[in-house]
Amino acid sequence: TQLLEQSPQFLSIQEGENLTVYCNSSSVFSSLQWYRQEPGEGPVLLVTVVTGGEVKKLKRLTFQFGDARKDSSLHITAAQPGDTGLYLCAVKAGGTSYGKLTFGQGTILTVHP
Amino acid sequence: SQTIHQWPATLVQPVGSPLSLECTVEGTSNPNLYWYRQAAGRGLQLLFYSVGIGQISSEVPQNLSASRPQDRQFILSSKKLLLSDSGFYLCARGNRANTEAFFGQGTRLTVV
Repeated sequence: TQLLEQSPQFLSIQEGENLTVYCNSSSVFSSLQWYRQEPGEGPVLLVTVVTGGEVKKLKRLTFQFGDARKDSSLHITAAQPGDTGLYLCAVKAGGTSYGKLTFGQGTILTVHP
Repeated sequence: SQTIHQWPATLVQPVGSPLSLECTVEGTSNPNLYWYRQAAGRGLQLLFYSVGIGQISSEVPQNLSASRPQDRQFILSSKKLLLSDSGFYLCARGNRANTEAFFGQGTRLTVV
C-alpha cells in the first residue's frame, strides 16, 4: 500500500485547458511538497504547504493542502507545453527528526500545442 | 549556493559487473543525504539515507549498498549488477528539517 496516492496517473490535454491533480493519504502530515520533473533530470521543488487549508499560488499553479492535512491538490490554469512533466508529491514519513522523504508515484502530464 | 554533483550521467554495465555512483554536495555541512531509484519515469523509491559520516539506513533489501566516507560524499555501490538494477538513480540532499529534497541530475544506469 502506497503512503501517498496520486491521481490521475496520466493526463494528456491541449494547451489552454485547466487541470487538477491530486495527492491523497489516510495519514496526517505536518507538511507536503510538490515537485516537477522533466525527462532525464532530477525533480525540482515547486512548493511546500504546511497549514491545513493553505493555498499557495505560483504563477498559473495553485496548490492546496487539505483541511485535515491528509491530502493536497495542484491546479494548473491555462496549461502550456512547458508544463509537461512528471508531478510528484512528497512527505516526511517516519515520525523522527530525520524522517524519510517519501514520494507518490506521480502524475505524468502532457500538454499538446 | 548549494549544489549536488552526481556522476556519471549515463552508464551501461554488463550483468555481474561492479557499480560505483558518486554524489558530492557543495555549500553545506552535515547534510542529510538520500539515494533514490526511479523506474520508467514514475515515483521515487528510497534506497538509502544518511544523517552523517558512516551512518547509513537501508530501506529496501537488495543488491546495492551505500557508504558515506566524507561529510559531503555519498556513494552507491554494487559488487555484481543484476538486470533489475537498471533505472534512474538520484542523489538528494534534505533541508535541515528534512521536509524538502534537492536533487542532483541523476544517473541513467542500464544493465545489459
